[in-house]
Amino acid sequence: DTEVTQTPKHLVMGMTNKKSLKCEQHMGHRAMYWYKQKAKKPPELMFVYSYEKLSINESVPSRFSPECPNSSLLNLHLHALQPEDSALYLCASRQGLAGGETQYFGPGTRLLVL
Amino acid sequence: SQQGEEDPQALSIQEGENATMNCSYKTSINNLQWYRQNSGRGLVHLILIRSNEREKHSGRLRVTLDTSKKSSSLLITASRAADTASYFCATTFTGGFKTIFGAGTRLFVKA
Repeated sequence: DTEVTQTPKHLVMGMTNKKSLKCEQHMGHRAMYWYKQKAKKPPELMFVYSYEKLSINESVPSRFSPECPNSSLLNLHLHALQPEDSALYLCASRQGLAGGETQYFGPGTRLLVL
Repeated sequence: SQQGEEDPQALSIQEGENATMNCSYKTSINNLQWYRQNSGRGLVHLILIRSNEREKHSGRLRVTLDTSKKSSSLLITASRAADTASYFCATTFTGGFKTIFGAGTRLFVKA
């Protein structure tokens, strides 16, 4: 199974809402990523978890809160977002530092903040 | 700023023609990867070239890496309409997880 799944596929939320994005992989990968991608732009790294510990936070605003409950799951909790946070949110995983560098991406969650 | 910069930003060709995309980067890298993204979907890994390699092939793809010029190119031969997508280079820093994507090239292959 080389699949990374993300739910939901689409999400519309108001600026006062709290919502969560979910990502799951069953490849035994020990590193998981969140990226944000605006239209016609490259993915921008937000967070990296390695062995369920947050190893990289690219100065992301605190209204985005990542969580890694176990080695297969990665969540992104959203609260008090702004309209400019509307984007495609991509999750990816890779084996780990000692393993391959190839990242496997999920299909993304398209988020619209009203 | 982005580690990898790509050109052209957009490329439109006829089916059967070759497509070449270029990527430049600024600092030392461990490896360079190319990904494809169909409109609004997840990225798919195409090929990885390590810093000690100069050329790599995979099917209709050929990637070159010139570490002295800090640049890479992706050649797609005999293009097909299904190759229409955005193509990104990505660099990974030595010993780390951080991956930086280039600006991308949007390829349109006309049938």
